[in-house]
Amino acid sequence: GDSVTQMEGPVTLSEEAFLTINCTYTATGYPSLFWYVQYPGEGLQLLLKATKADDKGSNKGFEATYRKETTSFHLEKGSVQVSDSAVYFCALSDSNTGNQFYFGTGTSLTVIP
Amino acid sequence: NAGVTQTPKFQVLKTGQSMTLQCAQDMNHEYMSWYRQDPGMGLRLIHYSVGAGITDQGEVPNGYNVSRSTTEDFPLRLLSAAPSQTSVYFCASRPRAWVSTDTQYFGPGTRLTVL
Repeated sequence: GDSVTQMEGPVTLSEEAFLTINCTYTATGYPSLFWYVQYPGEGLQLLLKATKADDKGSNKGFEATYRKETTSFHLEKGSVQVSDSAVYFCALSDSNTGNQFYFGTGTSLTVIP
Repeated sequence: NAGVTQTPKFQVLKTGQSMTLQCAQDMNHEYMSWYRQDPGMGLRLIHYSVGAGITDQGEVPNGYNVSRSTTEDFPLRLLSAAPSQTSVYFCASRPRAWVSTDTQYFGPGTRLTVL
């Protein structure tokens, strides 16, 4: 079946450091891939998405590239800020099971000044 | 647009009590869903709906009922609450059912504690 495996946290970085959060997936069809962010006490917000292989999603300085050959969708940011402290979720939606979303376990990021 | 709204924000129940978590969206979305979020487990799908009058089970449906009488509303019912149902519950909606490329939009969540 479909699944998402996400890098374990928590992750603590200093401000302006480089961020990578790994995400790999298993899917039976043609998945769309998403990164969601959850700030403390809030619901999930879409950060970026990619709907086909080699697509790059980007938003607010974050980027992720849909790599079919490695079944990966790693999240990166070149210079993190304190305001980026949140929990990040990788997720997929599969064309074969279009009404089911599969989430990773989430990675907690804390950025210290 | 208010987006996806959920009530209440917090709720404490005793084992065996029943309650309904409310969810509404004003975006005319076809698809609506309920998730529970537990530490270390991410979000797991409880039930979903592809339109008024049509619902289906997700990964963890036991102990929960849903119905969808209108496009806007998708309540989640706990018939006899158990401590294992202590969790944070999120409602979400998506413009179209059966379109895996569409983005899901989430409500702010309901934190439920069952004693």
